[in-house]
Amino acid sequence: GEDVEQSLFLSVREGDSSVINCTYTDSSSTYLYWYKQEPGAGLQLLTYIFSNMDMKQDQRLTVLLNKKDKHLSLRIADTQTGDSAIYFCASVHGAGSYQLTFGKGTKLSVIP
Amino acid sequence: NAGVTQTPKFRILKIGQSMTLQCTQDMNHNYMYWYRQDPGMGLKLIYYSVGAGITDKGEVPNGYNVSRSTTEDFPLRLELAAPSQTSVYFCASIQGLPFTSTDTQYFGPGTRLTVL
Repeated sequence: GEDVEQSLFLSVREGDSSVINCTYTDSSSTYLYWYKQEPGAGLQLLTYIFSNMDMKQDQRLTVLLNKKDKHLSLRIADTQTGDSAIYFCASVHGAGSYQLTFGKGTKLSVIP
Repeated sequence: NAGVTQTPKFRILKIGQSMTLQCTQDMNHNYMYWYRQDPGMGLKLIYYSVGAGITDKGEVPNGYNVSRSTTEDFPLRLELAAPSQTSVYFCASIQGLPFTSTDTQYFGPGTRLTVL
């Protein structure tokens, strides 16, 4: 089945850029998502990218997709302490699917 | 709109007990989902529904049942609780066609369940 992998931890200084990486195995994935989970809370959809795009920018967030290598990254510019959270990558099981596969999440710690 | 609400927030069950986790959304969304999140893991899909009266299994349905008699409610039932069902359970609803450029996803705050 589909597998989504992420590194588990990332630590950055406030004001620096954060880059969170993700790899996936399903070459037919149509949409790829990034979610943010703050402590004790549910998931919040941050952004997504369609599989025919290389890059998507949304304010401080930049998503890069390398479809050949099945590699996705989320860059957060000017990282703030409020960005400290767990970030999940997720992929859709092909066109028309109603199911997502999630990675285990990357815990981002921002050092003031 | 209240969004997606889940009750209870916390629950401790003994092995073999049963319970129903409630999920309600007031946004008239057709698509609703139940996920579980084990410690240090991503979310895994238990069941989902594409509308009232229609449900389907996800990746990890064993030990659970669902029903969708109304658009608003999507309860998840555990019949014989086991320690392996200790997890945080999230309900979600989607406006629009799921996983397209037009969808909007909403997650509930979660129910933390411990089975001892």
